[in-house]
Amino acid sequence: AQTVTQSQPEMSVQEAETVTLSCTYDTSESDYYLFWYKQPPSRQMILVIRQEAYKQQNATENRFSVNFQKAAKSFSLKISDSQLGDAAMYFCAYGMEYGNKLVFGAGTILRVKS
Amino acid sequence: GAGVSQSPSNKVTEKGKDVELRCDPISGHTALYWYRQSLGQGLEFLIYFQGNSAPDKSGLPSDRFSAERTGGSVSTLTIQRTQQEDSAVYLCASGGQETQYFGPGTRLLVL
Repeated sequence: AQTVTQSQPEMSVQEAETVTLSCTYDTSESDYYLFWYKQPPSRQMILVIRQEAYKQQNATENRFSVNFQKAAKSFSLKISDSQLGDAAMYFCAYGMEYGNKLVFGAGTILRVKS
Repeated sequence: GAGVSQSPSNKVTEKGKDVELRCDPISGHTALYWYRQSLGQGLEFLIYFQGNSAPDKSGLPSDRFSAERTGGSVSTLTIQRTQQEDSAVYLCASGGQETQYFGPGTRLLVL
């Protein structure tokens, strides 16, 4: 069975600084998808970024980028120029081909200091 | 366009009562998922609907939990004879283009 591990229960970053959230996963599949979701106190899960395993290029969305290391089964999220609105719980998730359930990590609470 | 909506936003019930939670997916999405998020925990898969196929119920924790999806759109998650351990946030997601989009969730509190 696939598993997702987020080893950092909580992280802090100073406003305007850069922070990296870690995620590792375990799978025997070669084709899959990886996601980072953000959950603010409103509890709405918001998609931050998505990576297809067959793509070697790391995904980027504005201030958010990933470091995808397929061989190491690592998928970290880098947030640049951190803003107060980035404070939230961040979940790493794994999904197989379209339509399959997502497997989530336990989450990392990100605090942003002004 | 409209996102995934869920109702009610919050539900308080007494132990032993039945509850129904509703999910309206994004129009055109054929895949619909239910997840449960217990306090301070990650998301736990419950059930998945895809078009007219038989649902994947492998995540349902007990036979007190059931779900249906009418007309390939709206879904209802029913919990019978609720227990205190059922207290959690129940999240619905609909799927399109290999990505799941989540609703705001229903917070269920069983007293």
